[in-house]
This record gives sequence, C-alpha cells and structure tokens, in this order.
Amino acid sequence: KQEVTQIPAALSVPEGENLVLNCSFTDSAIYNLQWFRQDPGKGLTSLLLIQSSQREQTSGRLNASLDKSSGRSTLYIAASQPGDSATYLCAVANQAGTALIFGKGTTLSVSS
Amino acid sequence: GAGVSQSPSNKVTEKGKDVELRCDPISGHTALYWYRQSLGQGLEFLIYFQGNSAPDKSGLPSDRFSAERTGGSVSTLTIQRTQQEDSAVYLCASSLGGLPGELFFGEGSRLTVL
Repeated sequence: KQEVTQIPAALSVPEGENLVLNCSFTDSAIYNLQWFRQDPGKGLTSLLLIQSSQREQTSGRLNASLDKSSGRSTLYIAASQPGDSATYLCAVANQAGTALIFGKGTTLSVSS
Repeated sequence: GAGVSQSPSNKVTEKGKDVELRCDPISGHTALYWYRQSLGQGLEFLIYFQGNSAPDKSGLPSDRFSAERTGGSVSTLTIQRTQQEDSAVYLCASSLGGLPGELFFGEGSRLTVL
C-alpha cells in the first residue's frame, strides 16, 4: 500500500530565505508526483507535476525534484515571500493507478 | 466551466439527515475524484470515476456513502443518515483522462453534522 510522508509538518522562516520541503513515498512504481498548495479554507492548487520519467520540474521560484529509486521528492522554494505561506502537499498515485495518495502536508509560514 | 465547481460551499445538517454534494468538473475531463479532508487529517480518497463508471470506490468509508455521475459530467456524493464523524471538507477533482494526468481541485464543500 502506497504511503506518503512529508517532513517537516510545519516550518517558519523569515522572508527571503530559500527552503526545502521533503516528501517520501513507499512504493517507487509511481506514475507521477504532484505538488499542491492549499490556502486556509480553500481547495488545492496544482504547483508542479513530475512524470515518472522526469527528474525535475521548475516553475518560477519553485523547483521540484524526483528520485524514484529512493522514493523521495523535494520542493525547493527560492527567495520565500509572505505570500508563500500555505500548506504544501505532495501526492503520488496508488498502486492501482486510479487515484492520488496524499501526504499530510507541510504548513509553511513566511514572516516579513 | 473554467474550473471545478462544487456546491454547496457550506452545509450544516442534523445527525441522521441525508445530504447531497455536487461536483461539476472541468469541461472535457473524463476522470473525476472525490476526497475527504477532516480536521488535522490528510486528504482521504473516496471514489474515482472514469466517464459514468466508478472503477475504484475502495475509499468509501461505509455503505452510507454513495456517488454517481451522469452524462460523463456532473457527480453527486450522497451521505445517508449522517453522523458527526462525517463532518469534513469534501473535495472534488477532475483530470483530462485520469492518471498520470494533472488533477485540478474545486474549493470543496464543508459539511458540519450537529
């Protein structure tokens, strides 16, 4: 059964810092890995999608890497801003390939 | 539509009542998913639709929960005889053809059972 773990559970940084969020998964036979952002009381916004054949994806100040063999992904946020404050979730497909399994997220707080 | 639309955004009901939650996916998306997010918990998968059929409904927590999809578009999640532990945010997502495609989520329906 696929399980997804995210560490740390919470992170507080001052504005301008570069930071890394970690995601690990137990079954390396994944279709893809997706990172999402969730603001309080809102739905999920897709940030980056890495297909299983890819090693990384970049969008603006965000860079996500994927190492299937070790069952890990990292989300790198450069030059953090207060507007980056949110919960970040990673997800990979279940073994049936029918749905995404989510970690519990990392709640990020960036202070100005 | 431009995005995934869910209604109602908030629903308060009494224990024992039935509730229906609606999801309108992005136009042309054949895959539709329901998830539940309880306070302090992660997102819990409930059911996956491809077109009007549900190849995976393994996440439905009990037989009080059911879902249907009609016309390959709108889906309704029904919870019968609601219990307090059903209180959660119910999120719907759609994707163009299922995994490994990208999932797009709605804003969710917050259900409170008194």
